[in-house]
Amino acid sequence: SAVISQKPSRDICQRGTSLTIQCQVDSQVTMMFWYRQQPGQSLTLIATANQGSEATYESGFVIDKFPISRPNLTFSTLTVSNMSPEDSSIYLCSVEVQIMNTEAFFGQGTRLTVV
Amino acid sequence: GESVGLHLPTLSVQEGDNSIINCAYSNSASDYFIWYKQESGKGPQFIIDIRSNMDKRQGQRVTVLLNKTVKHLSLQIAATQPGDSAVYFCAENKSEPGTITNAGGTSYGKLTFGQGTILTVHP
Repeated sequence: SAVISQKPSRDICQRGTSLTIQCQVDSQVTMMFWYRQQPGQSLTLIATANQGSEATYESGFVIDKFPISRPNLTFSTLTVSNMSPEDSSIYLCSVEVQIMNTEAFFGQGTRLTVV
Repeated sequence: GESVGLHLPTLSVQEGDNSIINCAYSNSASDYFIWYKQESGKGPQFIIDIRSNMDKRQGQRVTVLLNKTVKHLSLQIAATQPGDSAVYFCAENKSEPGTITNAGGTSYGKLTFGQGTILTVHP
């Protein structure tokens, strides 16, 4: 399996500020994904991040609000910009890895609270 | 838009019983389905998957059943243990032409998740 580390694991931020979340994988992966999990809810895909190209955003998510970097095959960042309390969620990084089968592995998530 | 949903938001069982968690999906074009387990404070953990050309797949203590006629997916856990207590999510994926993938046209990480079912196992 892939080992995915996210930093920070949690943070409390003031509204109007921005937070950058880091995702580090222990192996090179082509595709990385960012998800949001609002309190008590399921996961929603924010965007797909591929190395060497612009991230692809899902409906309802825009680059200005959630800029993503993918500088190499083991690392990605997601920034939550100009935060409001509605951005309080768990943000999860995911990678697609082929071992015996192809699976999507998730990091432990970053729990963000905006006050 | 297309969505995946669950019939039961909570399920309580006794240790040793079998558990069945259900999921309905609406996208008939979906061709890959996965069950994830999420424990408190952790990310989702892969349990088992099934492709649309199958109707049953078994793992260790878990079985996934797929009924494409009624767009229904279920997860069966045999001899449920207290360590099985968690939130269980179904997720779906469909091949998208032009998607950057590893092979076969399917992006396994681009998933649509269901609502989630909280499973509580009582000792």
